[in-house]
Amino acid sequence: EAQVTQNPRYLITVTGKKLTVTCSQNMNHEYMSWYRQDPGLGLRQIYYSMNVEVTDKGDVPEGYKVSRKEKRNFPLILESPSPNQTSLYFCASSFEVNTEAFFGQGTRLTVV
Amino acid sequence: AQSVTQPDIHITVSEGASLELRCNYSYGATPYLFWYVQSPGQGLQLLLKYFSGDTLVQGIKGFEAEFKRSQSSFNLRKPSVHWSDAAEYFCAVALLNFNKFYFGSGTKLNVKP
Repeated sequence: EAQVTQNPRYLITVTGKKLTVTCSQNMNHEYMSWYRQDPGLGLRQIYYSMNVEVTDKGDVPEGYKVSRKEKRNFPLILESPSPNQTSLYFCASSFEVNTEAFFGQGTRLTVV
Repeated sequence: AQSVTQPDIHITVSEGASLELRCNYSYGATPYLFWYVQSPGQGLQLLLKYFSGDTLVQGIKGFEAEFKRSQSSFNLRKPSVHWSDAAEYFCAVALLNFNKFYFGSGTKLNVKP
């Protein structure tokens, strides 16, 4: 089954404790991206990747890192999480930026 | 500033009534346009997309959208709403030249029995 898998689904952590949210897709997609969803703001793009070893900033990259060492995986790293990063995060993949994106189920992160 | 605007935060319609959700964009060229739906606790699912050609596009679940270049709009419509359509709807654009994707702030649809 074609899917985008994010883990964990829920995470509560403390300020400053490094964390990684994993994202994996099985559709051989080139383009992958991370979004955060906040009430009234819709989804905002954090980082995206055009292909392996090619990543770039989206609209809200501050406080986040990503890597794309393999085509299927695109982890999101918060080196020092802060409470303003409490949000719902989605990973998505597509063949290209202008083709249908498939979304993961989301990761609800709370930073206290 | 470049943006995607969904002016309606919440909309309530009666089951069986028609629906129109508004979306406007402000970009120099015609972007690639999308509508996604998010059911509670779920990820997003593509309803339909417009790249070029016929300005009226059909999607899944009986939805359609019309691109109007003169109004920079891409409104989503459905002739008869079902209770299962209650969800949040997002308009989105892809800017091929910048490899970026932008979402509107969403419209939450409630359906009255």
